Amino acid sequence: EDQVTQSPEALRLQEGESSSLNCSYTVSGLRGLFWYRQDPGKGPEFLFTLYSAGEEKEKERLKATLTKKESFLHITAPKPEDSATYLCAVQALETSGSRLTFGEGTQLTVNP
Amino acid sequence: DAGVTQSPTHLIKTRGQHVTLRCSPISGHKSVSWYQQVLGQGPQFIFQYYEKEERGRGNFPDRFSARQFPNYSSELNVNALLLGDSALYLCASTDRKNIQYFGAGTRLSVL
Repeated sequence: EDQVTQSPEALRLQEGESSSLNCSYTVSGLRGLFWYRQDPGKGPEFLFTLYSAGEEKEKERLKATLTKKESFLHITAPKPEDSATYLCAVQALETSGSRLTFGEGTQLTVNP
Repeated sequence: DAGVTQSPTHLIKTRGQHVTLRCSPISGHKSVSWYQQVLGQGPQFIFQYYEKEERGRGNFPDRFSARQFPNYSSELNVNALLLGDSALYLCASTDRKNIQYFGAGTRLSVL
């Protein structure tokens, strides 16, 4: 069974204080790992897809990396508008269709 | 371009009732997936449909059913509602790069 564990559950940062969120996963064969951002009362917003170990992707203050067992979302010099819940999800090779298995998310708060 | 649209936004039902949730995918997307998100947890996969055929089913009871129409819109039906069905129901449509884009969801409260 595919499993995704995210840590920490919650993270408070001061504006400008860089940090990383962790996503550990167990999957029989990885088709893709996805990062989403979710604001309160809204649906998840797509950020990145990573497909193979060693791959990195960047978008503004965010950078996602992937190893064979985990992914990190690095946040550089965060701003209050980066406050949200960040969700990690995996898609298995054996999956017919596009089923995503999500972690429970990391709730990030960035204080001004 | 319009994103994934879901209706209604909020819904209040009582135990034992039936509910129908609706979803319109992004134009050009042929696949729709449904997820249930309980407060404080990540989304849980319920169903996926592609070209009107079921492509995947999550670990949900038979009270949950869905269908996809020729215009690729979709309905999620839940019968005999339980208190535990209270959640945010999310619909996602998938592009050709296999990326899922989510709607804002339907907040269902079962009293």
